[in-house]
Amino acid sequence: EAQVTQNPRYLITVTGKKLTVTCSQNMNHEYMSWYRQDPGLGLRQIYYSMNVEVTDKGDVPEGYKVSRKEKRNFPLILESPSPNQTSLYFCASSRLAGVGGEQFFGPGTRLTVL
Amino acid sequence: GEDVEQSLFLSVREGDSSVINCTYTDSSSTYLYWYKQEPGAGLQLLTYIFSNMDMKQDQRLTVLLNKKDKHLSLRIADTQTGDSAIYFCAESYTNAGKSTFGDGTTLTVKP
Repeated sequence: EAQVTQNPRYLITVTGKKLTVTCSQNMNHEYMSWYRQDPGLGLRQIYYSMNVEVTDKGDVPEGYKVSRKEKRNFPLILESPSPNQTSLYFCASSRLAGVGGEQFFGPGTRLTVL
Repeated sequence: GEDVEQSLFLSVREGDSSVINCTYTDSSSTYLYWYKQEPGAGLQLLTYIFSNMDMKQDQRLTVLLNKKDKHLSLRIADTQTGDSAIYFCAESYTNAGKSTFGDGTTLTVKP
């Protein structure tokens, strides 16, 4: 089944404790992206990747890191999480960026930073 | 910079038509999208329109694009209770990685 998977689905952590949210897609898509969803703010793009070893900042990259060492995986790293990073995070992928293609979204990761 | 705006809430009766509106500011947008998010789930693409089109119809969905006013709308005919969800308008650009989403419109369909 074609899908985007994220792990963990739920995470409660404390300020300053490094964490990684994994994202994997099995559709051989070139493009992957991370978003955060907050009430009243919609979806905001954190980072995106046009292909392996190519990443770029979205609208809200501060406090986050990403890597794209292989096509299928695009982990989101929070080196020192803070309470303002409490949010619902979505990973997405598409065959190519911005060519009318559909972005396939993962189920979301709900992160709480205490 | 890019900005996409939507009204936050819409309530309709089952069987009526729903019209969800969106305005955007970046005239270089190439593709405009409508996504649907059901409770506890990720977003799912409903439809998209290329910026050189005025209208696109897909079964119960009609998308209208007014480029002059930078206004996009999604009409859902014969709205059903299963259409209750959050609808997001989004824009992107050919060969560019940035995508901008609106805040989402929560559609409530009453029986």
